[in-house]
Amino acid sequence: DGGITQSPKYLFRKEGQNVTLSCEQNLNHDAMYWYRQDPGQGLRLIYYSQIVNDFQKGDIAEGYSVSREKKESFPLTVTSAQKNPTAFYLCASRDRSIYGYTFGSGTRLTVV
Amino acid sequence: RKEVEQDPGPFNVPEGATVAFNCTYSNSASQSFFWYRQDCRKEPKLLMSVYSSGNEDGRFTAQLNRASQYISLLIRDSKLSDSATYLCVVNRAKDSNYQLIWGAGTKLIIKP
Repeated sequence: DGGITQSPKYLFRKEGQNVTLSCEQNLNHDAMYWYRQDPGQGLRLIYYSQIVNDFQKGDIAEGYSVSREKKESFPLTVTSAQKNPTAFYLCASRDRSIYGYTFGSGTRLTVV
Repeated sequence: RKEVEQDPGPFNVPEGATVAFNCTYSNSASQSFFWYRQDCRKEPKLLMSVYSSGNEDGRFTAQLNRASQYISLLIRDSKLSDSATYLCVVNRAKDSNYQLIWGAGTKLIIKP
């Protein structure tokens, strides 16, 4: 079955550590996105990529980095520069139609 | 002011009742509109797109009022399984791309 796989489902990070969240899709979608969701807030865009080897900052990119070396993969690194990383992180991909967003099941990151 | 605003709720509604949510958006250049459903600690899933003429999908009816810049969702004969958070989403042009702008969601609790 086609879909998006995010891993891990739960992640715990110590202060000052970098962590990388995985996002893999087998839908052959060109565009991929990373969102962050905090309680009581809408999803906020961190980074997005429309094509391999290219990505753009979203609204809250500070403290995050991404790469897009393969069409299927769009990993997100939460760096130590991100001061409040505890959140629910969602990866999505989109086909050429505006309506075709598919989400992964999310990674819940907690700083301990 | 947020670009997409929703009443956070919760709306506590008896099973079988009709419930309506509204959502307002501030950017008149918004192109397309959606309702997503998000269950607790899960990823959002597309419930329905919202068309200018209004559209219906079973017990769900969506309306768009471009002049007043609001979107509505009506759920008839509500079921226990309708309990979830309903997210209003607006798609608008930003730079040379489109970007989804997410409301914070309205929480619905259906009681037996």
